[in-house]
Amino acid sequence: NAGVTQTPKFQVLKTGQSMTLQCAQDMNHEYMSWYRQDPGMGLRLIHYSVGAGITDQGEVPNGYNVSRSTTEDFPLRLLSAAPSQTSVYFCASSSQGARNTIYFGEGSWLTVV
Amino acid sequence: AQKVTQAQTEISVVEKEDVTLDCVYETRDTTYYLFWYKQPPSGELVFLIRRNSFDEQNEISGRYSWNFQKSTSSFNFTITASQVVDSAVYFCALSEEADKLIFGTGTRLQVFP
Repeated sequence: NAGVTQTPKFQVLKTGQSMTLQCAQDMNHEYMSWYRQDPGMGLRLIHYSVGAGITDQGEVPNGYNVSRSTTEDFPLRLLSAAPSQTSVYFCASSSQGARNTIYFGEGSWLTVV
Repeated sequence: AQKVTQAQTEISVVEKEDVTLDCVYETRDTTYYLFWYKQPPSGELVFLIRRNSFDEQNEISGRYSWNFQKSTSSFNFTITASQVVDSAVYFCALSEEADKLIFGTGTRLQVFP
């Protein structure tokens, strides 16, 4: 988990509220991504970025927005939280994608009530 | 389509037993990468190994070893002389591009003293 920092670690939201999960890395990695982990389903890719100013959708992008204005930061925004977005969220980064080690943050536990 | 199958949902062993975690993958690409991650009860994802599709050499790291067989599309993970600290969920993952990982559903390993 070296160098990938996620905040907050725990958050409870009410349905309809918006919030941003922060992700920062200090390794000058080009690639960053967000995953969600749900019981029995492993981790699924939400959005990813191959560099500043470039983002793309993953497997489950609906209800989430991202932007990559700097190399270091890759925030994930929930526009109008729904109970289905209750999950554990992981941010990841790497220097050459899968050609190098992919590091994960410690996770953010989000509950939407 | 990409897919990773970890058919073993949960495995229980007694300390000092050897245990093998199975991983079968599907991909149409000739260039791809395979990963194993460990998720201990504390929740973080710990990188264990990355292997590219052109390197079929088996790898050993202490009590851990990996068997990569392209002929059967498998990338199995063996823990020799298991210990209680090995108790965790283990994920196998596949990547064809960037840092987009496709995860299996994980295998929960419980090692009893």
